[in-house]
Amino acid sequence: QKEVEQNSGPLSVPEGAIASLNCTYSDRVSQSFFWYRQYSGKSPELIMSIYSNGDKEDGRFTAQLNKASQYVSLLIRDSQPSDSATYLCAVDRGSTLGRLYFGRGTQLTVWP
Amino acid sequence: NAGVTQTPKFQVLKTGQSMTLQCAQDMNHNSMYWYRQDPGMGLRLIYYSASEGTTDKGEVPNGYNVSRLNKREFSLRLESAAPSQTSVYFCASSSGTVSNNEQFFGPGTRLTVL
Repeated sequence: QKEVEQNSGPLSVPEGAIASLNCTYSDRVSQSFFWYRQYSGKSPELIMSIYSNGDKEDGRFTAQLNKASQYVSLLIRDSQPSDSATYLCAVDRGSTLGRLYFGRGTQLTVWP
Repeated sequence: NAGVTQTPKFQVLKTGQSMTLQCAQDMNHNSMYWYRQDPGMGLRLIYYSASEGTTDKGEVPNGYNVSRLNKREFSLRLESAAPSQTSVYFCASSSGTVSNNEQFFGPGTRLTVL
């Protein structure tokens, strides 16, 4: 089992819809969880971090964490074509401070 | 603040040539990282430096060496480039603490080895 698994997609939603991106992880001691957005040809950009169970909202983005189920998700409300990118889930390696596991990413396309 | 900067942006090498990728951060971060990203493989950690004066291997260290020159700078060296090292290389940095280990990435170096 991979340390971090994401639906590879591609995920395609219409403009204005909610996009839901999912991620599961295998290391039970992980404490911090991140979502990165990566546009084609660019570097990953941090958009959300979450450390506690529950929801964390930032503008149109909501991160959800369920440590018991080892599951983290990202919801994008009122999706815009500019949200079209690959979204990477990252989880800390609880046993090695500072290192992160990265998923392979989910490609999202928002069509007008 | 420039954040994380990398040079060069693009590089073409011939097999067997050597080169050094440079990375610098101005966020006073303790930890720095080198990743490579290949299609379908995601981000793979090559080497990292948890603090000034320390370096450790990541998942794919073979063929690479690193130097943590000071707190700001972390370089990656390819001693004898191979076509398998054609990739996009990203440097990242973080505070590296339990409560805050968000990593911030540089713009990347696109390397082609012929």
